[in-house]
Amino acid sequence: GIQVEQSPPDLILQEGANSTLRCNFSDSVNNLQWFHQNPWGQLINLFYIPSGTKQNGRLSATTVATERYSLLYISSSQTTDSGVYFCAVVDNTDKLIFGTGTRLQVFP
Amino acid sequence: DVKVTQSSRYLVKRTGEKVFLECVQDMDHENMFWYRQDPGLGLRLIYFSYDVKMKEKGDIPEGYSVSREKKERFSLILESASTNQTSMYLCASSLPKSGFYNEQFFGPGTRLTVL
Repeated sequence: GIQVEQSPPDLILQEGANSTLRCNFSDSVNNLQWFHQNPWGQLINLFYIPSGTKQNGRLSATTVATERYSLLYISSSQTTDSGVYFCAVVDNTDKLIFGTGTRLQVFP
Repeated sequence: DVKVTQSSRYLVKRTGEKVFLECVQDMDHENMFWYRQDPGLGLRLIYFSYDVKMKEKGDIPEGYSVSREKKERFSLILESASTNQTSMYLCASSLPKSGFYNEQFFGPGTRLTVL
């Protein structure tokens, strides 16, 4: 099955810093999603991005499907950005395959 | 705004009890999913459904069953709860892949503790 790997596993930042999270996947995919899991456990949809670049406020994402990776950029990080970031891809049976996650902690 | 709701945020049950977790979506999605999330194990798919009255086993279906009598509602049933089913349960829904737009949307989760 498709393997999804994320790096780094942990990231500690001071408020205001920028960061880049990476997601590598082992096979071609038709869609890719980025999620933020907040401290209460809710998975919040950030981007649906099978290819190309999208931006939403301080967050942006780029997926290069031909090279099997996606990047999530967080600029001017805030303490509310803390949590775990997951990328996930859909396999050929409609199942979502999650990456291992990046745990982000932002300190004031 | 898309919405997936789950019946409880927190639930405490005793070993051997029958437990129902309910999930409702208001997006007219065909696909619905139940996952559990445990530290160090990530999210694992328990069951999913492509349509009303249809169900498919995921990666860890043992000890669980599901029911989908209406398109908007997908129930997860623990026939006889055990302590190893203490976990965070997440429900999701999506359109089918045939449309090539099948973003999954998640509910807030239910933290189940089995004593």
